Amino acid sequence: GENVEQHPSTLSVQEGDSAVIKCTYSDSASNYFPWYKQELGKGPQLIIDIRSNVGEKKDQRIAVTLNKTAKHFSLHITETQPEDSAVYFCAASIGGSQGNLIFGKGTKLSVKP
Amino acid sequence: EPEVTQTPSHQVTQMGQEVILRCVPISNHLYFYWYRQILGQKVEFLVSFYNNEISEKSEIFDDQFSVERPDGSNFTLKIRSTKLEDSAMYFCASTSWSGTNSPLHFGNGTRLTVT
Repeated sequence: GENVEQHPSTLSVQEGDSAVIKCTYSDSASNYFPWYKQELGKGPQLIIDIRSNVGEKKDQRIAVTLNKTAKHFSLHITETQPEDSAVYFCAASIGGSQGNLIFGKGTKLSVKP
Repeated sequence: EPEVTQTPSHQVTQMGQEVILRCVPISNHLYFYWYRQILGQKVEFLVSFYNNEISEKSEIFDDQFSVERPDGSNFTLKIRSTKLEDSAMYFCASTSWSGTNSPLHFGNGTRLTVT
């Protein structure tokens, strides 16, 4: 079945450094790729998303790149801050539906002051 | 900003009992979802619901599970006879439509503990 692989599972960086999280997906029909941030005791919160007709999208310190040929997409956070510490999940749509998502296993990001 | 609200935040139940998890989606949203997250694992799709019927469901969503929109605001997930392995965080989500430019909004979840 469809699958999303996410790496690394944990990532520790110094405040101000960049963080990169990578995901690969298996469903060729996937066309929507959101990234969620989950803080302790809370639900996943969308931080950025990208669609298959776009190769890169940026929102302030956060950027996402998509390589549809290789079926991988990445999250880039620049100038990390302690409040960026959380678990980050990538996801891919099953086919064209934005609501039926397959999630990666998550990356626990720790930003050390 | 409008948000998805879920109640209760934590539910403890004995194996074999029925539980109902409740959600109030964002008011103008039309598509509703349940996801679950077993502790330390990935978030998994359970079911999607539109126009008062199930649109899609995963293999996890077996006959023990059901969903309902009993009125204009609530969206519920019922587990008929809970098992130990049903212990997880259950997230409700909603979106205004299933196409582009309408991302999924999640609630803060209900932690279900089956003893």
